[in-house]
Amino acid sequence: GNSVTQMEGPVTLSEEAFLTINCTYTATGYPSLFWYVQYPGEGLQLLLKATKADDKGSNKGFEATYRKETTSFHLEKGSVQVSDSAVYFCALSDIGSARQLTFGSGTQLTVLP
Amino acid sequence: DVKVTQSSRYLVKRTGEKVFLECVQDMDHENMFWYRQDPGLGLRLIYFSYDVKMKEKGDIPEGYSVSREKKERFSLILESASTNQTSMYLCASSRQGPSGANVLTFGAGSRLTVL
Repeated sequence: GNSVTQMEGPVTLSEEAFLTINCTYTATGYPSLFWYVQYPGEGLQLLLKATKADDKGSNKGFEATYRKETTSFHLEKGSVQVSDSAVYFCALSDIGSARQLTFGSGTQLTVLP
Repeated sequence: DVKVTQSSRYLVKRTGEKVFLECVQDMDHENMFWYRQDPGLGLRLIYFSYDVKMKEKGDIPEGYSVSREKKERFSLILESASTNQTSMYLCASSRQGPSGANVLTFGAGSRLTVL
């Protein structure tokens, strides 16, 4: 079956540091890949997505590239801000199961001023 | 602003009580979902629905049921709450179709404590 593995948190960084959150996946077929973010006290919201190999999703300074050869979709940001403190979830959707997403376990990020 | 609204942010119930969690979306979305979120486990799908009166089991449906009598409303029911159902419950919705089916809009969550 499908699965998503994220690097374990929590991750604590200083403001303006470089961020990488690793995400690898196992899936049959050609999944779409997503990063969702959950700010404190809120539901999840879509951060970025990529639907095919070599696609790069980007939003709010975050980027992730769909790497089929390494089955990875790592999230990066060049300079984090305190406001980026949140829980980040990697997820995939297999085209054969289009109504459902498989989520990773989430990575808590705290950015210190 | 489009929204998924969960009626209760915080609930405290006793073991054996019947619990209703309500979710309403105003985006005319076909698909609706209930997840539970637990530390270290991420989100796990309980049930989903792709049409009125239709429901499908997710990964962890035991101890739960759902109701979708109207397109905009999807209810999660705990027939007899147990302490291991203490969790954060998230409702989500999405549009049908290949381009939008997988982009979920989430509610703010309902934190349920069962004593």
